[in-house]
Amino acid sequence: DAKTTQPNSMESNEEEPVHLPCNHSTISGTDYIHWYRQLPSQGPEYVIHGLTSNVNNRMASLAIAEDRKSSTLILHRATLRDAAVYYCILRDSGGGSNYKLTFGKGTLLTVNP
Amino acid sequence: EPEVTQTPSHQVTQMGQEVILRCVPISNHLYFYWYRQILGQKVEFLVSFYNNEISEKSEIFDDQFSVERPDGSNFTLKIRSTKLEDSAMYFCAVSGDTQETQYFGPGTRLLVL
Repeated sequence: DAKTTQPNSMESNEEEPVHLPCNHSTISGTDYIHWYRQLPSQGPEYVIHGLTSNVNNRMASLAIAEDRKSSTLILHRATLRDAAVYYCILRDSGGGSNYKLTFGKGTLLTVNP
Repeated sequence: EPEVTQTPSHQVTQMGQEVILRCVPISNHLYFYWYRQILGQKVEFLVSFYNNEISEKSEIFDDQFSVERPDGSNFTLKIRSTKLEDSAMYFCAVSGDTQETQYFGPGTRLLVL
């Protein structure tokens, strides 16, 4: 799996937007960009994913650069419950039956009240 | 509603003992995974399982580990002879037809003494 680079930590205030960056300069044409998060003492949780176009769901938005070498996860209004480690992961959609997730260290997001 | 539950939530065992960790999908899923997370470290892929056979395994998944779906429902991870370094959180994950989203269980905390 191609490698991603994320800041170790970020801090935000409650009810403010948060932009979590991810660099993936070696991304291939068949790689999807996935974001998962892990709340304290819980299993990872799917947030959002995309290929080329920006994506929105009830949890977040994903902005993908035109050259696909970077992306940004956007939490529109951070809440205390959003404090977690956020992982940016590339997954090859080229075929096969495995589709394992390769986790990095992620970004630890702290949300201040 | 969780997609998957895991039992037990905690397990303490003596070195050299066998342990079986169980994963119970709530809905129909085709793909099953085990991951582990040693305290303070990254989430690591162990094995993926599809159509009643292993589709991929990592270097961690050596001969001490095995997986099966004995009754077509539960998905189990067996560690035959536990070692101190097997102490970790073990997460089961499942995914459906699209293979795009993996749903993680709450994990089993294994402590080997």
